[in-house]
Amino acid sequence: GAGVSQSPSNKVTEKGKDVELRCDPISGHTALYWYRQRLGQGLEFLIYFQGNSAPDKSGLPSDRFSAERTGESVSTLTIQRTQQEDSAVYLCASSLVGGENGGELFFGEGSRLTVL
Amino acid sequence: KNEVEQSPQNLTAQEGEFITINCSYSVGISALHWLQQHPGGGIVSLFMLSSGKKKHGRLIATINIQEKHSSLHITASHPRDSAVYICAVRYYNTDKLIFGTGTRLQVFP
Repeated sequence: GAGVSQSPSNKVTEKGKDVELRCDPISGHTALYWYRQRLGQGLEFLIYFQGNSAPDKSGLPSDRFSAERTGESVSTLTIQRTQQEDSAVYLCASSLVGGENGGELFFGEGSRLTVL
Repeated sequence: KNEVEQSPQNLTAQEGEFITINCSYSVGISALHWLQQHPGGGIVSLFMLSSGKKKHGRLIATINIQEKHSSLHITASHPRDSAVYICAVRYYNTDKLIFGTGTRLQVFP
């Protein structure tokens, strides 16, 4: 597709269930970022990928959170045993690295997660 | 202290006013981004800059690397400029991005 695509756009789940959020970056973008935004708050860094590797996982809030990326393309953010405090919009962004236009960020529309 | 500080946190203006939003950071960076987030959540990249000044329509972004400071200016502001403006810095030699807390702008007719 032309832009960054995230799915699902909305997810309501019960406390304790696992959820998977998916991000399809723009084709060819080597850098991929996951952020979350709680209601009324700023953007909180979770993890980023350079290719398929994740040099910095320091933002993951707990070991219930994990992420992977395959084929330098799709990424999945998994939250196990969801808690109410996990409710947020989870945003994905991608960018080229290097070159004249390297680094410009393109954001998906986000996945809104509500944990009941 | 946050690594990226924005000011003001909230800003109201009358249509037509000149607006300035500031961003200060404390680390070595390779680039700084200005982003716009409208009610409803979508985020759009406005500028990416590593030196000097960029202009796009009524928007101007400047950066002073020595002073670790950037400003976003909006000339002839309009109610449709109402949004949250976010500064983000890309760490030098990595692709880690850190966001400021955002500046909420409301422009009234």
